Amino acid sequence: DAGITQSPRYKITETGRQVTLMCHQTWSHSYMFWYRQDLGHGLRLIYYSAAADITDKGEVPDGYVVSRSKTENFPLTLESATRSQTSVYFCASSPNGASITDTQYFGPGTRLTVL
Amino acid sequence: RKEVEQDPGPFNVPEGATVAFNCTYSNSASQSFFWYRQDCRKEPKLLMSVYSSGNEDGRFTAQLNRASQYISLLIRDPKLSDSATYLCVVGPSGTYKYIFGTGTRLKVLA
Repeated sequence: DAGITQSPRYKITETGRQVTLMCHQTWSHSYMFWYRQDLGHGLRLIYYSAAADITDKGEVPDGYVVSRSKTENFPLTLESATRSQTSVYFCASSPNGASITDTQYFGPGTRLTVL
Repeated sequence: RKEVEQDPGPFNVPEGATVAFNCTYSNSASQSFFWYRQDCRKEPKLLMSVYSSGNEDGRFTAQLNRASQYISLLIRDPKLSDSATYLCVVGPSGTYKYIFGTGTRLKVLA
């Protein structure tokens, strides 16, 4: 049972480059999320998706693009990377969304450094 | 004021001593409350949901105080393996936009 995976696990890129972070889940969960985690901040929601072809902005969407053509995949693209996007990125999935008993399952994270 | 606030710690406690963390939230319409655990350089994992009546899972007890807008996590007889960062998570009503606290770091000492 692979669960939820992210690739690459580590990435170093340069300012201005386009970068795509991949997220894949094997549970057929409807909901998927992208977060970034920085010192001094909790995890902050970048984008989320309630189903294939349905996405919406979170708290910090600027500079990011997402798509969800298949239920199991939710790639995050940095269109033109900036140093402020250096962070740890977590993808998560959830079967039902926001309910009192719902759980978000997180991938192992991608550590992105923008030089 | 942050939407979800936690004492960053660290809380250094000996094995066997009881420890408690609080987390305050600002949105009175919040409906979903969780505690997640995050080990160093790892992904967060759900520890427990927090119900209105309070709930217990082994050595862990979670409480919700809506009047004062805080949730708490009590760990009885902490083990070395409980050393981690504990994240408070709050979900506003009718949305999937969970708000994460910055976490409280716990270090259990032998």
